[in-house]
Amino acid sequence: SAVISQKPSRDICQRGTSLTIQCQVDSQVTMMFWYRQQPGQSLTLIATANQGSEATYESGFVIDKFPISRPNLTFSTLTVSNMSPEDSSIYLCSVRRTGGRGTIYFGEGSWLTVV
Amino acid sequence: KQEVTQIPAALSVPEGENLVLNCSFTDSAIYNLQWFRQDPGKGLTSLLLIQSSQREQTSGRLNASLDKSSGRSTLYIAASQPGDSATYLCAVTQGVSGGGADGLTFGKGTHLIIQP
Repeated sequence: SAVISQKPSRDICQRGTSLTIQCQVDSQVTMMFWYRQQPGQSLTLIATANQGSEATYESGFVIDKFPISRPNLTFSTLTVSNMSPEDSSIYLCSVRRTGGRGTIYFGEGSWLTVV
Repeated sequence: KQEVTQIPAALSVPEGENLVLNCSFTDSAIYNLQWFRQDPGKGLTSLLLIQSSQREQTSGRLNASLDKSSGRSTLYIAASQPGDSATYLCAVTQGVSGGGADGLTFGKGTHLIIQP
């Protein structure tokens, strides 16, 4: 398995502000992904974080709203910009390790409430 | 676009029963299928992964099957316990040229309660 640490684990944010979530993995991984889970909903893929290049965003998500960095194979950040109450969600980092059977592992998530 | 459906949305059973959770997907060209467990206030824990070429995987009291051609998977939980209470999520990886580079497409989950 992979040990994935996310910070912050929880935060209450003011409308209009931005927050950066960090994801640290205990070993090098091939793929890193960011998901959003809105209240009462399942997970939706935001983007794939690519090492050394721009992230690949899913339909409905844009770089200006969710800028992502991945400077190396063990670390990534997701910023939620100009937040509104609709951005209140759990944001989860996930990874697929190099080699292996393709199992994807998740961090504990970052619970954001926008007021 | 891939769509994943889980039935039932919620299930409550007495302790000790065997139960089956169902998952279906619309595009059978998947790379693999993964079952997760999510406890309240927690992230996701991977339970079982089935490669597209496999028919089933087992881990302890859990058994997951895959019928790729019909777009279905089931998660069988034997001798259920109160500690099994959680939301169970099914997710598929679509794969890029069979390489599985895509992220996961999730179902909405089955909220399971095991009554003591």
